[in-house]
Amino acid sequence: GDSVTQMEGPVTLSEEAFLTINCTYTATGYPSLFWYVQYPGEGLQLLLKATKADDKGSNKGFEATYRKETTSFHLEKGSVQVSDSAVYFCALTPNTGNQFYFGTGTSLTVIP
Amino acid sequence: SQTIHQWPATLVQPVGSPLSLECTVEGTSNPNLYWYRQAAGRGLQLLFYSVGIGQISSEVPQNLSASRPQDRQFILSSKKLLLSDSGFYLCAWNSGGSQPQHFGDGTRLSIL
Repeated sequence: GDSVTQMEGPVTLSEEAFLTINCTYTATGYPSLFWYVQYPGEGLQLLLKATKADDKGSNKGFEATYRKETTSFHLEKGSVQVSDSAVYFCALTPNTGNQFYFGTGTSLTVIP
Repeated sequence: SQTIHQWPATLVQPVGSPLSLECTVEGTSNPNLYWYRQAAGRGLQLLFYSVGIGQISSEVPQNLSASRPQDRQFILSSKKLLLSDSGFYLCAWNSGGSQPQHFGDGTRLSIL
């Protein structure tokens, strides 16, 4: 069945470091892909999305490219800030039916 | 614009007591509605989803139930809570298909 696998955390970075959080997926057909961010004690917020191969989603300095050949959707940011400390979830929907599949989340801590 | 409301934000209940968590969506019609549970430091577990009034799909057998009495109202219930029901409960909605899900702020449920 469809699924999402993302790198395990926790990840700790210094401020202004480069961030990569890996996400790979398994799906039949052509899913839509998403990254969500969850700040402590809050719900998930949509960070960015991509709906077809080679699409690049971007928001708040984060970006991810839908790579069908490697079934990946890695999240990147060139220079992280303390305020980026949160848990990041990769997700997909297969575009048929109403299911969403979430990864297990990657905790990011950015230290000054 | 669309908004989603969940309440209460926090809840402390004794084992064996009943539960009712409510979620409402504003600014859209006929949304898909979802209940998730998130254990501490873990990913999301889909509990129920609904594509219309009175239509509930259960993903995990358990002592919880869900109802959708109105188009934009989704209720999570239990007749007798267990210790294992503790967690962070999230409601979400989307307009179906490949559209992203949008989450409420969650309810933190502690069972004593």
